[in-house]
Amino acid sequence: QVQLQESGPGLVKTSQTLSLTCTVSGGSISGGSYCWNWVRQPAGKGLEWIGRIYTTGSSNYNPSLKSRVSISIDTSKNQFSLNLSSVTAADTAVYYCARVRYSYDSSGYSNWFDPWGQGTLVTVSS
Amino acid sequence: QSVLTQPPSVSAAPGQKVTISCSGSSSNIGKNYVSWYRQFPGTAPKLLIYDNNKRPSGIPDRLSGSKSGTSATLGITGLQTGDEADYYCGTWDSSLSAYVFGSGTKVTVL
Repeated sequence: QVQLQESGPGLVKTSQTLSLTCTVSGGSISGGSYCWNWVRQPAGKGLEWIGRIYTTGSSNYNPSLKSRVSISIDTSKNQFSLNLSSVTAADTAVYYCARVRYSYDSSGYSNWFDPWGQGTLVTVSS
Repeated sequence: QSVLTQPPSVSAAPGQKVTISCSGSSSNIGKNYVSWYRQFPGTAPKLLIYDNNKRPSGIPDRLSGSKSGTSATLGITGLQTGDEADYYCGTWDSSLSAYVFGSGTKVTVL
């Protein structure tokens, strides 16, 4: 079955750019009605959606992060990546990548996250 | 402040039933499908319910989901100690053009 694995630096300096990559294995990143997402979770807090990218390259971002976020996809490597610029301590969190199955019908948008990567802790410090 | 509101905690004795509410608005739950996730400490969330009331393969029928208007509910019957975890609802918000998660609910088995 499809598995996702995050990778990247665990420590980023304040004001610099956080960069993470999610590698998809067990299936093609290009197949099916899926989009590829990033979610983060500060310690002891809830889940926050960061954004998503489709295999077409089209992307959507959380309005609260939009000015600092960029998500890209490399179908040849079966990977997608997250860049978050001008980070502060508030960006310290566990970052998850996840596949989302999406569809739309008369009852609205359907988006469900499955599977998820194991998560990677990123600490922002000066 | 989460767009979707969940009770911080619910609890019940083993074998009993708990319900977790997820309250939203006409731009999110009232307009789109809801999914539910369970998260054990130190691990990634896991999908429990999608499209309001559908269970993925491997999820027992002790878990159920429903939606009415701008609220959704997750029910867990036959509560087990292994159900102790944090639970999150989520849906697309058509006004924000963003996916939103609930504030999370901790389930405790007494």
